[in-house]
Amino acid sequence: TQLLEQSPQFLSIQEGENLTVYCNSSSVFSSLQWYRQEPGEGPVLLVTVVTGGEVKKLKRLTFQFGDARKDSSLHITAAQPGDTGLYLCAGGLGTASKLTFGTGTRLQVTL
Amino acid sequence: NAGVTQTPKFQVLKTGQSMTLQCAQDMNHNSMYWYRQDPGMGLRLIYYSASEGTTDKGEVPNGYNVSRLNKREFSLRLESAAPSQTSVYFCASRTGGVANYGYTFGSGTRLTVV
Repeated sequence: TQLLEQSPQFLSIQEGENLTVYCNSSSVFSSLQWYRQEPGEGPVLLVTVVTGGEVKKLKRLTFQFGDARKDSSLHITAAQPGDTGLYLCAGGLGTASKLTFGTGTRLQVTL
Repeated sequence: NAGVTQTPKFQVLKTGQSMTLQCAQDMNHNSMYWYRQDPGMGLRLIYYSASEGTTDKGEVPNGYNVSRLNKREFSLRLESAAPSQTSVYFCASRTGGVANYGYTFGSGTRLTVV
C-alpha cells in the first residue's frame, strides 16, 4: 500500500501571507495531483505533475514534483480568504486505475 | 453542467437498514470510483470500476457492494448499515486507466447511521 503523508495537517494564516504544503511518500509515483475541497463539496482538481522536478504555476499557486517523484509541494503566495479549504494530494502509478490520496491539509485564511 | 451527480445528498439510516447510493456521470468516462471521507482519514477507496463490466475492491470494501449498471452509472449498496459506516461518500469518474488523468468528483452523500 502506497501512503502519502501531508504536512501540516492544519494551517491558519492571515491574508497576504505565504505558505507551503508538503506531500511525502516512500513510494515512487508516475504522477501527482493536487485537489482543493470546499465545505459540502467534492474535491476539485487543481493540477497534475508527471515529470520529476516539474514546476507548474496556477496564478498564485506553485506546484513542484520532487526529482525522485516521491514528494510534492504546493506554495501559495499572498494567500486570500478564497484559498481556504482542504488541500489533497493524490499519487498515481503507471496504468493503475486508482489514485492514492494523502491525508489532507486544512487551510484557513483570515482577513 | 456536465459532471458527476450523486443522490441523495443526505440520509439517516437505522442500524441494519439497507440503502443504495446512486451515481451518474455524463462525461463518457470509462472509470468510476466510490470513496468515503472521514475526519483525519482522508479519502479511502471502497470500490472502483476501471471500465464498464468490471468492478474491483478498494482498501475498505467490507459491508458494501457495487454495481456498474452501464457506462454512466455506478451504484453503492449498504446491505445492513452499521454506525461505523457513518461518513461522507463521494463518487468520482475519470476518462481512463492512465494515472495522469484527474478525477471529477460528485458533491457527496452525507450518511448517518444511528
